Amino acid sequence: DIQMTQSPSSLSASVGDRVTITCQASQDISNYLNWYQQKPGKAPKLLIYDASNLETGVPSRFSGSGSGTDFTFTISSLQPEDIATYYCQQYDNLPRVTFGGGTKVEIK
Amino acid sequence: QLQLQESGPGLVKPSETLSLTCTVSGGSISSSSYYWGWIRQPPGKGLEWIGSIYYSGSTYYNPSLKSRVTISVDTSKNQFSLKLSSVTAADTAVYYCARRGIAAARWEDYWGQGTLVTVSS
Repeated sequence: DIQMTQSPSSLSASVGDRVTITCQASQDISNYLNWYQQKPGKAPKLLIYDASNLETGVPSRFSGSGSGTDFTFTISSLQPEDIATYYCQQYDNLPRVTFGGGTKVEIK
Repeated sequence: QLQLQESGPGLVKPSETLSLTCTVSGGSISSSSYYWGWIRQPPGKGLEWIGSIYYSGSTYYNPSLKSRVTISVDTSKNQFSLKLSSVTAADTAVYYCARRGIAAARWEDYWGQGTLVTVSS
């Protein structure tokens, strides 16, 4: 099974800060990686697909990069509405998927 | 607009079988373009894929749960279901049903609202 190691597990940043989250796969997954945002009591929402593509309607301050085993998710300027938990998800062998452990983003 | 809705008991006793159904409205579960799956989230913890099914009945399970999971589909009712046997407190979670694309849009694009299932005597 492919394991996804996501870090940090939580972070606190100020409004306007640049926030970076990393995700490492236990084996090469090419660009088969998605990033989701989950707010309390809600289902996850797709932000980034295929590692670096912004989902329609998602603000451009969100971005993703990487391929192979190492991936990065960035919020270029943190906004109050970005408070949420973010998950990476690999889909190298559909429909089997694995999620990272999540990163809880808070405002300092 | 596609909608998914989970239904089933919110409380299950230890060692019994958890049973949930996901009803799909606003679209057909018989589309060849999608998998239909279950994902769960224990309180305060992360997301775990449980398994998925194709409209033809082909199933795919998380290896860690495979011995206890059965997912089935009823195309006549536009529903798919989850059964998880021999449950323990560790199976307490919010259970989501979701649709995932196969070729294009290879992500969960529609989710149910989630249903909390508590395992307790």
